[in-house]
Amino acid sequence: SQTIHQWPATLVQPVGSPLSLECTVEGTSNPNLYWYRQAAGRGLQLLFYSVGIGQISSEVPQNLSASRPQDRQFILSSKKLLLSDSGFYLCAWRGTLAEAFFGQGTRLTVV
Amino acid sequence: GQNIDQPTEMTATEGAIVQINCTYQTSGFNGLFWYQQHAGEAPTFLSYNVLDGLEEKGRFSSFLSRSKGYSYLLLKELQMKDSASYLCAVRAKDSGYALNFGKGTSLLVTP
Repeated sequence: SQTIHQWPATLVQPVGSPLSLECTVEGTSNPNLYWYRQAAGRGLQLLFYSVGIGQISSEVPQNLSASRPQDRQFILSSKKLLLSDSGFYLCAWRGTLAEAFFGQGTRLTVV
Repeated sequence: GQNIDQPTEMTATEGAIVQINCTYQTSGFNGLFWYQQHAGEAPTFLSYNVLDGLEEKGRFSSFLSRSKGYSYLLLKELQMKDSASYLCAVRAKDSGYALNFGKGTSLLVTP
């Protein structure tokens, strides 16, 4: 069966520091992968999606970036975090019905 | 673009039935999804509708009317553990099959 791993679960980072969140998927090949963010009082916002290695599409302009160095690895990064980057970050992959299956999420607090 | 609306909050009594509505406007409908999200956790997939009508899955049912841009999630025999946020999502035609989410409906089940 397919599983998705995301870490860390919780992260507190100072403003201006870098960020790297990693997501890996097991049990499937060539998955569509997604990064979402859920900020307080807001819905889940699609940040990036990837349909294959090295292929990244950005939905929202911001100081975040994503990379897909391997088929089942998806990384979210930032060179300098802003206070507004605080939120719940979720990695997801696409199931057979096009539903999204989510990782456990990373709660990021920028201080 | 896509616009998805659902009520912010609802309250219902244990054992009762509750209906959570969702309306959407989209360019190129390709499926509607419902998710459940408990506080501090990642969303979990509940149901999927692509054709008009009712899909039943245990205590949960989901209805879709594509001509009206309308869906609802019906929860029967409410239990305290059903207290959660319920997210309506529409599949995007052009975003690697990513889902666009509404802001969610926070359901409180009371004794």
